[in-house]
Amino acid sequence: DGGITQSPKYLFRKEGQNVTLSCEQNLNHDAMYWYRQDPGQGLRLIYYSQIVNDFQKGDIAEGYSVSREKKESFPLTVTSAQKNPTAFYLCASTVDRGKNQPQHFGDGTRLSIL
Amino acid sequence: DAKTTQPNSMESNEEEPVHLPCNHSTISGTDYIHWYRQLPSQGPEYVIHGLTSNVNNRMASLAIAEDRKSSTLILHRATLRDAAVYYCILSFTNFGNEKLTFGTGTRLTIIP
Repeated sequence: DGGITQSPKYLFRKEGQNVTLSCEQNLNHDAMYWYRQDPGQGLRLIYYSQIVNDFQKGDIAEGYSVSREKKESFPLTVTSAQKNPTAFYLCASTVDRGKNQPQHFGDGTRLSIL
Repeated sequence: DAKTTQPNSMESNEEEPVHLPCNHSTISGTDYIHWYRQLPSQGPEYVIHGLTSNVNNRMASLAIAEDRKSSTLILHRATLRDAAVYYCILSFTNFGNEKLTFGTGTRLTIIP
């Protein structure tokens, strides 16, 4: 079945450490997104990518970095500059950004600080 | 960005219809209305979306007011699996600036 796979499901970060969250899709979607969700809150956009080798900052990009070297992969790195990284991170994709197609979400990665 | 307003929570009895309201008084002519739902510790799931006309799919119906300042998601026969947080979202179609802005949504509880 086609879908979005996020790994790991749970991740722990030590102070000063960078960690990378994986997001893979086999839907052949062009556009991919990363969101952050805090408890009891909605989702906030971190980064998005419309095509390979291109990505744009969302509303809360500080302390995060991404790459899009392959169409099916969009990893997110949470750097040590992100002072409050504890959150639920969600990856999504859509067929073609800009045409109001539904976004398909993975099941998320929950990141905590040790 | 245009904003949406939803009740924080609602309850409904199992096997009865559910009407989830959403106000979006500052909606622009090109904003689409999307609905997603989210179960605990899972990613959101697309439910339905529309622009001006009412829409139906296998999951739900979307009723859009004539002035587009409000809309209602209708679950025709609620089951326990419909218990989730429901998000009403506006998206703007623009190749340079489309995004979904999620609010806090409506937490729907289904009473057996």
